[in-house]
Amino acid sequence: EAGVTQSPRYAVLQEGQAVSFWCDPISGHDTLYWYQQPRDQGPQLLVYFRDEAVIDNSQLPSDRFSAVRPKGTNSTLKIQSAKQGDTATYLCASSLGGQGANTLYFGAGTRLSVL
Amino acid sequence: QQKVQQSPESLTVSEGAMASLNCTFSDGTSNNFRWYRQHSAKGLEVLVSIFSDGEKEEGRFTAHLNRANLHVSLHIREPQPSDSAVYLCAVSITMNYGSSGNKLIFGIGTLLSVKP
Repeated sequence: EAGVTQSPRYAVLQEGQAVSFWCDPISGHDTLYWYQQPRDQGPQLLVYFRDEAVIDNSQLPSDRFSAVRPKGTNSTLKIQSAKQGDTATYLCASSLGGQGANTLYFGAGTRLSVL
Repeated sequence: QQKVQQSPESLTVSEGAMASLNCTFSDGTSNNFRWYRQHSAKGLEVLVSIFSDGEKEEGRFTAHLNRANLHVSLHIREPQPSDSAVYLCAVSITMNYGSSGNKLIFGIGTLLSVKP
């Protein structure tokens, strides 16, 4: 069974540039999550979807970050006008059902450096 | 707000010696706890999930949960150099809306190094 696939693996930007991250979850998983993991910190939830609907985006900086999952399968996370503070690894995860009793399976992440 | 703290920040053990990692949390109403492992440049791999007080074993990995003491630990039996990685404790909290409203809170991790 294929795991969670993310691309690109690495991205290097100048401040003010835009970038998009792509995630393909495990087939059949209805719930998809985006986490941000700054260096030497634990992952922090940005947004998660059940099918195509956003369930929680309260930690997503809405002025520069956006996330979509239009068909309830793949998802894209976009940063407009990146800042140095956005430097982190962006992790995508998926699960069958919500986070409470169900295991999240993570992709390898996209490591972003904003210069 | 649930706070998750891990100790030690880093740990070095010799191959074959038991490794013990600790995690404390602030909200005792949580009932889902997981330990993940993160190798450099790789995604998170779930090791053990535990939902009630006591012990849960998955191969060489054993989790102990004591919610009264707000503590969950991970013990690695016969660690090998390939177990060198960051180990993350994750605690699930229930948000305000139904079964879809759970959220994982992670600690910052313990860096484990296993020396041959």
